[in-house]
Amino acid sequence: EAGVAQSPRYKIIEKRQSVAFWCNPISGHATLYWYQQILGQGPKLLIQFQNNGVVDDSQLPKDRFSAERLKGVDSTLKIQPAKLEDSAVYLCASSFIRDEQYFGPGTRLTVT
Amino acid sequence: AQKVTQAQTEISVVEKEDVTLDCVYETRDTTYYLFWYKQPPSGELVFLIRRNSFDEQNEISGRYSWNFQKSTSSFNFTITASQVVDSAVYFCALSEAPDSSASKIIFGSGTRLSIRP
Repeated sequence: EAGVAQSPRYKIIEKRQSVAFWCNPISGHATLYWYQQILGQGPKLLIQFQNNGVVDDSQLPKDRFSAERLKGVDSTLKIQPAKLEDSAVYLCASSFIRDEQYFGPGTRLTVT
Repeated sequence: AQKVTQAQTEISVVEKEDVTLDCVYETRDTTYYLFWYKQPPSGELVFLIRRNSFDEQNEISGRYSWNFQKSTSSFNFTITASQVVDSAVYFCALSEAPDSSASKIIFGSGTRLSIRP
């Protein structure tokens, strides 16, 4: 069974630029999560989708971050404009059974 | 509010030693899940275990064992006869209201474990 796919794996941008990350969950997983993991910290949930609806986006900085999950499968997370403090690893996870989340390899973002 | 504390930032042991990673949690709920995840240098979080708050039985899986004690709000993880491949960052996590669509997992800050040959 294929795991959660994410791209790109690495991205370097300058502050105020825009960036987008893509996630393809495990087939059949209705729930998809985006996490932000700052160096030396645990992952922090940004947004949770159930199919193509948002369940929780309380920690998503909505002035600059946006996410969508069209057709309830793939998802895109966008940052516009990026700030230095957005440098982190962005992890995507999906689950079929509640709370058994499977994580992708992450996208490491560096904002200079 | 829920909180997970992993007081050990880094641990380094020699191969074949036993090592215990501590996890203390805070929650107001009576129903919750506790987790351990492993994050090797590749970066991908690997699920290790999920424990329901009503099940306080300790669990053993090969060289891994988990000790869940509600009285002290702790969910500690022990690796017996550690190996170099066990080197990784380990995260303890908590999920409240697991039957609610609003449930989310809160992670601790992680413990970096280094196993020296």
